Amino acid sequence: DVVMTQSPLSLPVTLGQPASISCRSSESLLSSDGNTYLHWFQQRPGQSPRRLIYRVSNRDSGVPDRFSGSGSGTDFTLKISRMEAEDVGVYYCMQGTHWPRTFGQGTKVEIK
Amino acid sequence: EVQLLESGGGLVQTGGSLRLSCTASGFTFSNFGMSWVRQAPGKGLDWVSVISKSGGFPYYYADSVKGRFIISRDNSKNTLYLQMNSLRDEDTAIYYCAKSSHLDVWGQGTTVIVSS
Repeated sequence: DVVMTQSPLSLPVTLGQPASISCRSSESLLSSDGNTYLHWFQQRPGQSPRRLIYRVSNRDSGVPDRFSGSGSGTDFTLKISRMEAEDVGVYYCMQGTHWPRTFGQGTKVEIK
Repeated sequence: EVQLLESGGGLVQTGGSLRLSCTASGFTFSNFGMSWVRQAPGKGLDWVSVISKSGGFPYYYADSVKGRFIISRDNSKNTLYLQMNSLRDEDTAIYYCAKSSHLDVWGQGTTVIVSS
């Protein structure tokens, strides 16, 4: 199975400041169809997860533009340009290229 | 609005069975594959299974549930199912259904507690 490794696992961030989460996969996520299926999810406290970013860098509908994703191959990053209170939660990366699907361990983002 | 509503969770004895349901609305259910993901108490997300839009192959399972869980769907009822047999304590979790194999929309989850 493809192992997804996130860092850091805990990230205190000052309001208004940027934040960055790394996600590395044990195998390339470049699919034979030319797409890279690396997605990011946000889980706010007490809520279901929701997808923020799909295929590395595409924001889902309603996701603020302070969230951005980048990367290729095995190395990916989620960035929050300016931390807001509503961004508190756990963030997960997931690979959708290989079976079975696998998630990173999660990064807990909190207010510093 | 796309909505997914899970049901069927509850308390079950170790070794028992349970069937979860997920009713979809707001999109053409038969056009999308569907997935199950679970989350044990205080833990991260754990992918469980996926089924194709037709209900036939391809479908996949996590190794941890293979041979015990069966995913299925009824497109006439816009409903996804997860039949869980031979339940173990470690299957205790919130079970979420999600639209497509890329999990673009999630339900609110249903809680399964397995205890002897």
